[in-house]
Amino acid sequence: GAVVSQHPSRVICKSGTSVKIECRSLDFQATTMFWYRQFPKQSLMLMATSNEGSKATYEQGVEKDKFLINHASLTLSTLTVTSAHPEDSSFYICSARDSDGNYGYTFGSGTRLTVV
Amino acid sequence: SQQGEEDPQALSIQEGENATMNCSYKTSINNLQWYRQNSGRGLVHLILIRSNEREKHSGRLRVTLDTSKKSSSLLITASRAADTASYFCATGRGSNYKLTFGKGTLLTVNP
Repeated sequence: GAVVSQHPSRVICKSGTSVKIECRSLDFQATTMFWYRQFPKQSLMLMATSNEGSKATYEQGVEKDKFLINHASLTLSTLTVTSAHPEDSSFYICSARDSDGNYGYTFGSGTRLTVV
Repeated sequence: SQQGEEDPQALSIQEGENATMNCSYKTSINNLQWYRQNSGRGLVHLILIRSNEREKHSGRLRVTLDTSKKSSSLLITASRAADTASYFCATGRGSNYKLTFGKGTLLTVNP
């Protein structure tokens, strides 16, 4: 079946630094990738949608300059949290979809970001 | 904004019992999906039901969809301790393929 690899699974960084999270589709071409944020015991909040080769579409209230998304190829999307602060600590999950929808939505295993 | 609302928020049952979770939504949809999430992990797709379907089965899972009431239910039969997880419904609508997730139900199956 379709697999999406997300790493790192856990990262601790200092305030003010930037962190990059990668999301790769291993056996299909991910035309569209989605990035979510999840707070403890809460639901997933969509942050942005990215299509290969074009700029990401951010949801209302999500800072574009804070959360940089790059989807340069059909198998890789990255989320960079810039100038991280403790309030950015959260669980970030990516999801990928192929163009035909044959694989539905496949989720990565998530990244636990802790900013100290 | 979150469209789906699951209830109950938490459900605790004994192994072997059935677990029923409900999801309500507010706008028209193309499909409704159910996902499972173990603590601190990603989501696993369980089942998708299209807006023109009323019921779907997959193993021990049974999903119903009532578009007139804008609601869906997920039934897990003969539950096992390994079914302990959070379950989310997600609705898909429009051509942008975005999913809107509900708040989830935390299911605990006691051995």
